[in-house]
Amino acid sequence: AQKITQTQPGMFVQEKEAVTLDCTYDTSDPSYGLFWYKQPSSGEMIFLIYQGSYDQQNATEGRYSLNFQKARKSANLVISASQLGDSAMYFCAMRELDSNYQLIWGAGTKLIIKP
Amino acid sequence: DTGVSQDPRHKITKRGQNVTFRCDPISEHNRLYWYRQTLGQGPEFLTYFQNEAQLEKSRLLSDRFSAERPKGSFSTLEIQRTEQGDSAMYLCASSLVQTASNEKLFFGSGTQLSVL
Repeated sequence: AQKITQTQPGMFVQEKEAVTLDCTYDTSDPSYGLFWYKQPSSGEMIFLIYQGSYDQQNATEGRYSLNFQKARKSANLVISASQLGDSAMYFCAMRELDSNYQLIWGAGTKLIIKP
Repeated sequence: DTGVSQDPRHKITKRGQNVTFRCDPISEHNRLYWYRQTLGQGPEFLTYFQNEAQLEKSRLLSDRFSAERPKGSFSTLEIQRTEQGDSAMYLCASSLVQTASNEKLFFGSGTQLSVL
């Protein structure tokens, strides 16, 4: 079974609109961490946001927020007021004890912001 | 604060040749990772170092792949007798480990390998 599932291969969003990128995960470990990374066409993976399994509140970092629904095992990324520079691949990843704390990655979502 | 740097950015080689990539992590970071990424996929873990010790290698990693981090600073990844299936982006990342679950990786821009 897939540990990290990103169901949206690609998305088009109008500039200035909010966008939600989906991520569901599968783990039996009570302690885990969830990450979102952005990969522009330049290739570098850029850390965006982190959510710990025991965190009481949803993580936020500037225009990025993580909609963490633990019972549903979902960790969707919300980008508010999208900008042209947000066009990139977005990857959801998880770290858990069962995987020796190695990052497990989803297949990514390609986001294109339209002017 | 310089980020993670990788050299070269692009490498084109003929099948059967050996190639070596270099990664310079963020200076105070004690962990260094190598990943491989093919088009349309997330990164695939290859190996990682804590300081100069190589602590884990992917079971999928062929014996043709070897990595070193001799002084706990920069690292090299060598692929011997390259095959066309080795064509991919090779990403290096570093981190300063605080707790296991929230370790944040900082990535370089990668080395794009094309094997002809």
